[in-house]
Amino acid sequence: GDSVTQMEGPVTLSEEAFLTINCTYTATGYPSLFWYVQYPGEGLQLLLKATKADDKGSNKGFEATYRKETTSFHLEKGSVQVSDSAVYFCALTGPPSGGYNKLIFGAGTRLAVHP
Amino acid sequence: GAVVSQHPSWVICKSGTSVKIECRSLDFQATTMFWYRQFPKQSLMLMATSNEGSKATYEQGVEKDKFLINHASLTLSTLTVTSAHPEDSSFYICSASITSASDTQYFGPGTRLTVL
Repeated sequence: GDSVTQMEGPVTLSEEAFLTINCTYTATGYPSLFWYVQYPGEGLQLLLKATKADDKGSNKGFEATYRKETTSFHLEKGSVQVSDSAVYFCALTGPPSGGYNKLIFGAGTRLAVHP
Repeated sequence: GAVVSQHPSWVICKSGTSVKIECRSLDFQATTMFWYRQFPKQSLMLMATSNEGSKATYEQGVEKDKFLINHASLTLSTLTVTSAHPEDSSFYICSASITSASDTQYFGPGTRLTVL
């Protein structure tokens, strides 16, 4: 079945460092791809998305490109801040089931940025 | 826009009691709502999907008689954990979609349930 694999965390960086969180997927069909962010004690917030191959999603300095040839959707940011410390989830829309588009999540990658 | 709220944000209850969690879409009508469960430091597990006015569709392994879901209106869905036990302690998160075919879900802030 469809699945998402993320790099294991935690990822620990200094402020202003470059961030990459790897995400690869397995899917039948052509899913939409997402990155969600979860701050401590909160629900998930949509960070960015891409709906077709070669699309680039971007938001708040983060970006990710839908690469069909490598089945990847890696998250990058050029200069992280302490406030970016959170858990990041890669997700895709699974095959429609019962008319619903379900989200399939990766395990999440915890990012800790220190001053 | 697209704000989803949950109430309560946290609840502590005794074993054997029932707990109701509300999920509301505040500024849009949600045809479809989803309920997830998240264990500490783990990903989200979809429990069930519901359409307004219809019975919920539960994922395999989720007890429908234990986790009662009601989607009474286009802005409100409730999850009732019946006869709660300590193993039901978890973080419950709801999300909402404007249409069932939409690929975008808007998530609530979550409810932390602790069963003593």
